[in-house]
Amino acid sequence: QKEVEQDPGPLSVPEGAIVSLNCTYSNSAFQYFMWYRQYSRKGPELLMYTYSSGNKEDGRFTAQVDKSSKYISLFIRDSQPSDSATYLCAMIKGNTPLVFGKGTRLSVIA
Amino acid sequence: SAVISQKPSRDICQRGTSLTIQCQVDSQVTMMFWYRQQPGQSLTLIATANQGSEATYESGFVIDKFPISRPNLTFSTLTVSNMSPEDSSIYLCSVRARDGTDTQYFGPGTRLTVL
Repeated sequence: QKEVEQDPGPLSVPEGAIVSLNCTYSNSAFQYFMWYRQYSRKGPELLMYTYSSGNKEDGRFTAQVDKSSKYISLFIRDSQPSDSATYLCAMIKGNTPLVFGKGTRLSVIA
Repeated sequence: SAVISQKPSRDICQRGTSLTIQCQVDSQVTMMFWYRQQPGQSLTLIATANQGSEATYESGFVIDKFPISRPNLTFSTLTVSNMSPEDSSIYLCSVRARDGTDTQYFGPGTRLTVL
């Protein structure tokens, strides 16, 4: 079993929809959880960073962590065509390199 | 946050040659990393660049092929040596913030094509 599982999609939604992106993980030692957005031909951009279980909101984005279920989510409200990108979850345990999911390709159709 | 620049942004190289990619950060950081991202794939860690000592390579990557330097806390280079078409990829520099959050940031990437 991979340490981090993420459905690669692609996921296609109409403009204005609520998008739910998810990752599961197997190692309970993971402490910090991140979501990155990557546009085509660009480097990943840090979107959200969370430490504890619960929700963290930033504008249209909400990151949710459930450590008991080893499950993290990113919700995008009122999705826009400019949200079309690949979204990668990532997590860290201690002083070790990030472990990434495979990334989910999202298309928001106008 | 940290602002990261990479040079070159892209290059087209001939088989058998070498290319050195530079990474500059606008602030001192604890950890610097080099990743590779092949088309349509997620990121693969090549190595952790250690300041003043040899880099720590991940399984499948070796120093002879990917020599790395990190002379100070804000700069690192990755060389792709004796290139083949299989080395065509995006190479990304990444740093971990020195603010106690362990947040990690990425540079814009270097798009390498080997003919």
